[in-house]
Amino acid sequence: KNEVEQSPQNLTAQEGEFITINCSYSVGISALHWLQQHPGGGIVSLFMLSSGKKKHGRLIATINIQEKHSSLHITASHPRDSAVYICAAYSGGGADGLTFGKGTHLIIQP
Amino acid sequence: EAGVTQFPSHSVIEKGQTVTLRCDPISGHDNLYWYRRVMGKEIKFLLHFVKESKQDESGMPNNRFLAERTGGTYSTLKVQPAELEDSGVYFCASSQDPPQLLRGRGRTDTQYFGPGTRLTVL
Repeated sequence: KNEVEQSPQNLTAQEGEFITINCSYSVGISALHWLQQHPGGGIVSLFMLSSGKKKHGRLIATINIQEKHSSLHITASHPRDSAVYICAAYSGGGADGLTFGKGTHLIIQP
Repeated sequence: EAGVTQFPSHSVIEKGQTVTLRCDPISGHDNLYWYRRVMGKEIKFLLHFVKESKQDESGMPNNRFLAERTGGTYSTLKVQPAELEDSGVYFCASSQDPPQLLRGRGRTDTQYFGPGTRLTVL
């Protein structure tokens, strides 16, 4: 069974700061999702990656398969980036669903 | 293209009652997943359909939960009878290709999530 750990659990930063959220998992995976959930809202998939790095606008996600670790970075953070960021990995043992981290609650203050 | 939709968005019921949640996946997506988040905990996998067949239901908590996907289109998740600990947000997701099929080819398909149904059992 895969264990997915995220850090930090809560993060408050000032607008413009560079943000890093970390995710580690215990079992080798085929892919990892980074998801975003706004207060009262649904879940949006930001990235799915299985190696290297992906970039979309101000968001960058990296993964190191050997170290079982992924990071989500936000450059030039903005108050609208305030949300819960969740990493999720495909479980080991043949299960088909995602195993989710507890999420990182990010608040960007103006 | 319409995304994954879920109905209702909120449901408040009393303990012992029955509730049915519905998920409409993206058209053409054979794979449909149910997840839930209970208060203070991480989101957990419930089950996975490939078309109308249950591929993996290892996450279903007990036999009070029944999921169906007749005709391989929309899916329903029925909770009968509901208990207090069933309160939470139930998410549905869909994808085009299943993860197991693609693992050998080194590719895994993105899951697209619905907005969730918030269930409150009083």
